[in-house]
This record gives sequence, structure tokens and C-alpha cells, in this order.
Amino acid sequence: AQTVTQSQPEMSVQEAETVTLSCTYDTSENNYYLFWYKQPPSRQMILVIRQEAYKQQNATENRFSVNFQKAAKSFSLKISDSQLGDTAMYFCAVNDMRFGAGTRLTVKP
Amino acid sequence: DAMVIQNPRYQVTQFGKPVTLSCSQTLNHNVMYWYQQKSSQAPKLLFHYYDKDFNNEADTPDNFQSRRPNTSFCFLDIRSPGLGDAAMYLCATSRAPGEANEKLFFGSGTQLSVL
Repeated sequence: AQTVTQSQPEMSVQEAETVTLSCTYDTSENNYYLFWYKQPPSRQMILVIRQEAYKQQNATENRFSVNFQKAAKSFSLKISDSQLGDTAMYFCAVNDMRFGAGTRLTVKP
Repeated sequence: DAMVIQNPRYQVTQFGKPVTLSCSQTLNHNVMYWYQQKSSQAPKLLFHYYDKDFNNEADTPDNFQSRRPNTSFCFLDIRSPGLGDAAMYLCATSRAPGEANEKLFFGSGTQLSVL
């Protein structure tokens, strides 16, 4: 089974600034997928971004991008131009769909 | 258009009284998952179905059972709810593992209260 570690329980960022959330994982599989999910106060879980481990290029989705370091088993999420609507819990997951402990992000006006 | 539907949004049951939570999907996905999420914690995977194959997590209590009568529906049965089972229960679906664009689609959850 995979393990996922998110070492930042809480983070805050000023609106319009950039923030990076960290995630490390351990897996014995050669090919796998990594995910970041967002859970706003409504508690609806939403996929933010997905990375395929065999792809060297880091995934990007508008203001969201990842820094995937396969050798280091690190998968961080960068949010650029933070918006108030980005305030949420963020969970990292590897392809067995088990989540890390989460990071609570607050975007301040 | 809702693709993963959980009913009801809020469920109240009594201590020890069996309760069933339901989940349906219109995506025709192979895999359906049940998660338990307590306040300020990450969702904890209870079990999942890959088609008709049931996969239980090692630490899921026997009090929790699941049924998947067909592709569209999946149920979570709590045989004797305790106070510690009060939580948000999330249902999710995905295509078969490893398929292109595999990701989780979540329902809105059912908030269970145990009195």
C-alpha cells in the first residue's frame, strides 16, 4: 500500500500571492498517478490536478501547477495568484485513492 | 447535472439502530468507494467495489458493510451505529484503475448524526 504525508497542517497566504503545499509519498509501483483534491467549506471534494508518474513534464491547470520530483517522491502543489475562493482543505493522494492528512489553506484579503 | 448522488444529505439515527446510506452514479464507472470523514480530518477509505469485487480496508470495523446490487448503486450499511460513527460519509466513483483520465468523482456526502 502507498503512504502519503502532508507535513503542513495549516497555511495562509495573501490574496494574489503564491503558495506551495507539500506532499511526499511512498510507493512500490513503477507507474502510478498522483492527485491533489480540494475540499472547500461546502465539503464537496473537487479534483484540482492530476500527474502521471511516467510523464516528466509537470502538470498545470490554470493557476495550479505541480512540482513532481519522482526520485524524491515529492509532489507539491503551487497556487499562483491566490484567490479567496482557494480557501479550502487540500488533500494529496496516490492512485490507491487514500489521502494524506490534508493542509488547511486560508487566503487572506 | 449531478453525477454522483448521495441521499439523504443529513441522516439522524439512534445509537444501535441500523442505518443505510445510499449512493448512485450516472457515470457508469467501474469503481465505487466509501469514505468516512470526521471533522477536521482527511477522508478515510472504508472499502471499495471494483465492479462486483468487494475490497475491504484492513482497519474498517465489522460494523460497516456495503452492497452493490448493480453498476449504478452502492449502499453503506452500519449495523449498530455508535456515537463514534457520527461523521460525513462520502461516496466516490472512478473508472478502472490505470485508465486514462482516472480520477475520483465525489458525491456531496451524507452527514450522519447518532443520538
